[in-house]
Amino acid sequence: GQNIDQPTEMTATEGAIVQINCTYQTSGFNGLFWYQQHAGEAPTFLSYNVLDGLEEKGRFSSFLSRSKGYSYLLLKELQMKDSASYLCAVRGDTDSWGKLQFGAGTQVVVTP
Amino acid sequence: DVKVTQSSRYLVKRTGEKVFLECVQDMDHENMFWYRQDPGLGLRLIYFSYDVKMKEKGDIPEGYSVSREKKERFSLILESASTNQTSMYLCASTQTGDNYGYTFGSGTRLTVV
Repeated sequence: GQNIDQPTEMTATEGAIVQINCTYQTSGFNGLFWYQQHAGEAPTFLSYNVLDGLEEKGRFSSFLSRSKGYSYLLLKELQMKDSASYLCAVRGDTDSWGKLQFGAGTQVVVTP
Repeated sequence: DVKVTQSSRYLVKRTGEKVFLECVQDMDHENMFWYRQDPGLGLRLIYFSYDVKMKEKGDIPEGYSVSREKKERFSLILESASTNQTSMYLCASTQTGDNYGYTFGSGTRLTVV
């Protein structure tokens, strides 16, 4: 079976750093995605990792370790607008291009 | 601006009704997907399609069917709506080889009473 785990909720103060962990067990691996979803809105793409290491994009960074089945999303210099749900998603195998398996999401609450 | 458009933002239907949820994308993407999103369960894949007239079952296809007669349009059909199908339904599309993941529609919140 397939399993993607991430914490349910995290709280941090404005200006701080938060790290959202994601562990996965999937049949095959062909990339890991992070999405941001504000309440009542559609998810939007944040990052993509397929090789081990860190990908940095402004205040957001994403890390992948394929051998450990582990990724994290790092949010720096938190702003109130970063309060949202963050979804970890894995693309399992190359013959199902595009098909993603999602975790349940991590609700990040940013406080003043 | 590229778009995935879902025909309704909110729908209320009665138990036993046949329900059609429409999704249209203007990006010429081959791949289209229907998910439902429920609190604590995340997004679960119902059906997907890699090409016109092609469809494949996702993880939770029971009670649903789909239609893809044109490349840009992917319809989700609830043959006989039930209260446990009350959910947020999200359509998404992607191009084969694209590593930006999905472009999502804004979602349809369906309530079955």
